Amino acid sequence: GAGVSQTPSNKVTEKGKYVELRCDPISGHTALYWYRQSLGQGPEFLIYFQGTGAADDSGLPNDRFFAVRPEGSVSTLKIQRTERGDSAVYLCASRLGQGTEAFFGQGTRLTVV
Amino acid sequence: SQQGEEDPQALSIQEGENATMNCSYKTSINNLQWYRQNSGRGLVHLILIRSNEREKHSGRLRVTLDTSKKSSSLLITASRAADTASYFCATALSNTGNQFYFGTGTSLTVIP
Repeated sequence: GAGVSQTPSNKVTEKGKYVELRCDPISGHTALYWYRQSLGQGPEFLIYFQGTGAADDSGLPNDRFFAVRPEGSVSTLKIQRTERGDSAVYLCASRLGQGTEAFFGQGTRLTVV
Repeated sequence: SQQGEEDPQALSIQEGENATMNCSYKTSINNLQWYRQNSGRGLVHLILIRSNEREKHSGRLRVTLDTSKKSSSLLITASRAADTASYFCATALSNTGNQFYFGTGTSLTVIP
């Protein structure tokens, strides 16, 4: 596609529920990233995929967070037993490779009530 | 965690003036990117500068990199009201793979 696409753009869920956030990267981009951004803060690194594998998941805050990229393209960020503190904008980015520009989607605003 | 720190945190200038934002980081980098963000949503890529480069230009934007001081600056010349946004630097560290980490951002307001 023309750019990185994230769905849904907004998600409101109840505390304790499970949510999935989707990212469609730019076609051909092998690297994919998830970030989380709280109001007034810079984006916080969560996880990075190179192809199908998670090359670095050190930014995931705890084991309630999990992400997959089974075919090396679309990625899904999964959050179990959501908490109010998970409320943030979740951003996805993709890039061709190391040293190239990374392009971001518009993000998913997650609100846990 | 955030590896970079932008300075100032907030900047307010008159339209037509130049705006300078600085980014400092802690460890060696492969490259550094500058992004703009409006209304807390998608980030727009501005410039990528590699560790062996010292200066890059793109339109009204000028980015410098001083690896000895571990700092970079973004200069916006002849600012416009539409430049009002938050600006972030993102550093790709030398000792990591392909990851990059964001700073805390500078909030720029250009007054018409």
